[in-house]
Amino acid sequence: EVQLLESGGGLVQPGGSLRLSCAASGFTFNNYAMSWVRQAPGKGLEWVSAITPSGYSTYYADSVKGRFTISRDNSKNTLSLQMNSLRAEDTAVYYCAKKVGVIPGFDYWGQGILVTVSS
Amino acid sequence: EIVLTQSPGTLSLSPGERATLSCRASQSVSSSYLAWYQQKPGQAPRLLIYGASNRAAGIPDRFSGSGSGTDFTLTISRLEPEDFAVYYCQQYGSSPLYTFGQGTKLEIK
Repeated sequence: EVQLLESGGGLVQPGGSLRLSCAASGFTFNNYAMSWVRQAPGKGLEWVSAITPSGYSTYYADSVKGRFTISRDNSKNTLSLQMNSLRAEDTAVYYCAKKVGVIPGFDYWGQGILVTVSS
Repeated sequence: EIVLTQSPGTLSLSPGERATLSCRASQSVSSSYLAWYQQKPGQAPRLLIYGASNRAAGIPDRFSGSGSGTDFTLTISRLEPEDFAVYYCQQYGSSPLYTFGQGTKLEIK
């Protein structure tokens, strides 16, 4: 059974940093691209970042470029998102998501973790 | 950047009725790169349709997707009580890599 379990969320002050992790199991992690998607309270879905199976290539939404860094450790089946210079507008539930394969789309999602940026 | 506009914003229907949800793109989108998701309160999104018309694993056949170019549709043939949720379309592009529509809320009439 595929499982994605996020951790590392919480309350942080504006300008602060936080590191999210996503522990993956039930599939061959190093065969699949992964993404982070967020959802502000009461709002829609926003794609944040993606990383290729090897970790060689990374992609970011303009809203987080230069502040967030996605990475993965294929030896530990773990996806991470380092978030720096956090702003109030980064407040959201963050989901890690597994890409279907060669076809774009996310077939498995974590349960989500809340990040609140507030003083 | 391709913008996806979903309509209507809210759709009020009764169980047993047919639901038609629209997703319009600001530029042409490859059919292979269009997906639909369902999200219920407090839950993560669930993939329904990928490649515009292919049902994901375990998705009932009352869900179907169609369309091409800039106009895509998600149809639910006969609504079940568990189908009332928010639905999002998503496209895969270049920059940004993925974009979502703003969502359509399907509510019980």
